[in-house]
Amino acid sequence: EAGVAQSPRYKIIEKRQSVAFWCNPISGHATLYWYQQILGQGPKLLIQFQNNGVVDDSQLPKDRFSAERLKGVDSTLKIQPAKLEDSAVYLCASRRTGNTEAFFGQGTRLTVV
Amino acid sequence: QQQVKQSPQSLIVQKGGIPIINCAYENTAFDYFPWYQQFPGKGPALLIAIRPDVSEKKEGRFTISFNKSAKQFSLHIMDSQPGDSATYFCAASRGAQKLVFGQGTRLTINP
Repeated sequence: EAGVAQSPRYKIIEKRQSVAFWCNPISGHATLYWYQQILGQGPKLLIQFQNNGVVDDSQLPKDRFSAERLKGVDSTLKIQPAKLEDSAVYLCASRRTGNTEAFFGQGTRLTVV
Repeated sequence: QQQVKQSPQSLIVQKGGIPIINCAYENTAFDYFPWYQQFPGKGPALLIAIRPDVSEKKEGRFTISFNKSAKQFSLHIMDSQPGDSATYFCAASRGAQKLVFGQGTRLTINP
């Protein structure tokens, strides 16, 4: 089965610009996560979806970050406006309901200059 | 209470040695403890996982030891190989909730 697909792989933007990331989870996986991984640190959850509903967005900086999962499949994560400290790898992961294993995509490396 | 603390930050071992990576957690509601392996430019991949009702789990050369009373768990890699050089993350979760990751250990296996 195909893995979690993310695009773009790399993005460089100037501060105060906006950026969007896209994720296509594994087919049939109802749970979708967006994690932020700053260099040298472990991934930190930004938002968790169950189908198209938000389960946990407690650590999402809502003044600048937004995410949606229309139709409960693909998801987009947007940052507007970006700050220097947003430079990180943004990982998307998905999980089948009833299973414990989460599968990660390769991530999008964002550099804000 | 949501933290998972991982040590060491980096580890260098000779080929054939047994690197050991340790993690500690606070939240006793956690019921799933996976280890992820991450190569440069790749996303984390599940290596092995354990639940708190067992004290040890082996899969190939990888072993998790779990100490519920101490709230600690560790990863051992037997007969380590240069191809095992990667960053390893422990994590914990409760039910279907988010994974809480440790800070990561950069492991280098020298030939």
